[in-house]
Amino acid sequence: QKEVEQDPGPLSVPEGAIVSLNCTYSNSAFQYFMWYRQYSRKGPELLMYTYSSGNKEDGRFTAQVDKSSKYISLFIRDSQPSDSATYLCAMSAQGGSEKLVFGKGMKLTVNP
Amino acid sequence: DTAVSQTPKYLVTQMGNDKSIKCEQNLGHDTMYWYKQDSKKFLKIMFSYNNKELIINETVPNRFSPKSPDKAHLNLHINSLELGDSAVYFCASSQDYGGGTQYFGPGTRLLVL
Repeated sequence: QKEVEQDPGPLSVPEGAIVSLNCTYSNSAFQYFMWYRQYSRKGPELLMYTYSSGNKEDGRFTAQVDKSSKYISLFIRDSQPSDSATYLCAMSAQGGSEKLVFGKGMKLTVNP
Repeated sequence: DTAVSQTPKYLVTQMGNDKSIKCEQNLGHDTMYWYKQDSKKFLKIMFSYNNKELIINETVPNRFSPKSPDKAHLNLHINSLELGDSAVYFCASSQDYGGGTQYFGPGTRLLVL
């Protein structure tokens, strides 16, 4: 079993839809959870960062972490064509220089 | 005012050649990384340096050798390039005690023919 599992999609939705992206993990030591967005031919950019369990909201984006189920989610409300990108979950056991373990990434297309 | 920059952006070369990729960050971070992203977009860490010292060295062939002349720079030298080395290589940096926030460069697309 891989440490981090993420459905690679692709996922195609109409503009305005609510998008749900998910990752599961097996390493119970993970405490730091991130979502990165990667546009085509660009480097990943940090979208959301959460420590331990709970929810975090930033504009149209909400990140949820359920450590008991080893499950994290990213919700995108009122999705826009500019949200079309690959979304990668990432996690680490410690902060800072601890290595990140990434999911495979889910390619999302939001159609106008 | 690019935070993490890499050169070159594209690299096309023949099998057996030796090549280098350079990375620089102007964020004042202590830690830098090299990642490899394969054709299926899977991003995997290769190396990590903290204040010029190697701290993470994943299972990577000896043909790959990172070098950090100072904490703002991390270069990657690859000897005897193989077809399987074709990928996108990303450099990243983070503050040592920053809680896992890593900032990525734009990537270097390496194609080995």
